[in-house]
Amino acid sequence: GQQLNQSPQSMFIQEGEDVSMNCTSSSIFNTWLWYKQEPGEGPVLLIALYKAGELTSNGRLTAQFGITRKDSFLNISASIPSDVGIYFCAGRPGTASKLTFGTGTRLQVTL
Amino acid sequence: NAGVTQTPKFQVLKTGQSMTLQCAQDMNHNSMYWYRQDPGMGLRLIYYSASEGTTDKGEVPNGYNVSRLNKREFSLRLESAAPSQTSVYFCASRSRSGNVALGANVLTFGAGSRLTVL
Repeated sequence: GQQLNQSPQSMFIQEGEDVSMNCTSSSIFNTWLWYKQEPGEGPVLLIALYKAGELTSNGRLTAQFGITRKDSFLNISASIPSDVGIYFCAGRPGTASKLTFGTGTRLQVTL
Repeated sequence: NAGVTQTPKFQVLKTGQSMTLQCAQDMNHNSMYWYRQDPGMGLRLIYYSASEGTTDKGEVPNGYNVSRLNKREFSLRLESAAPSQTSVYFCASRSRSGNVALGANVLTFGAGSRLTVL
């Protein structure tokens, strides 16, 4: 099946710093999604990307659909304590296909 | 605006016991899914139901059965629980039609069910 490599596995940053994480696939995807999971909750969709090269923002979050269609990036600017959680990328090769999830990036923000 | 509701939230079982995890969605979504989440492994698909009346295996179906009871409800059953099934289980649903800019065709997750098998 498809493989999604997400990095880094974890990050410890100070409040106010910018964060970058990425996901690479062994095959071409036509949809990339970024989810955030807080402790004790299910993942919640942050950003959805549907076109190669697409750059989409949601507040302080910006995600990009890589030109090769095999990668995606998520940036968080000026991090705050409530950004703490696990960030998952997910992708699928076709509309009818099932999602493949990355292994997650655990983000910790210190004051 | 409940979204996806899972019960129970926590459960402890002994090896060999059976149990059913319940899931219901009120968004009129066609497709429903069961995932398990284990440390360092992300979310892995157990079973899914593309529409009412159909179910299919996902990546890790062994030891599980599912029932799509109606459009709203999709249950996951462990017939004989094993310690390897200790995990957090998530139900999700999605509508495969509609305006993607409004969130169609993406998964909406429940809050999870934490299962421990001793």
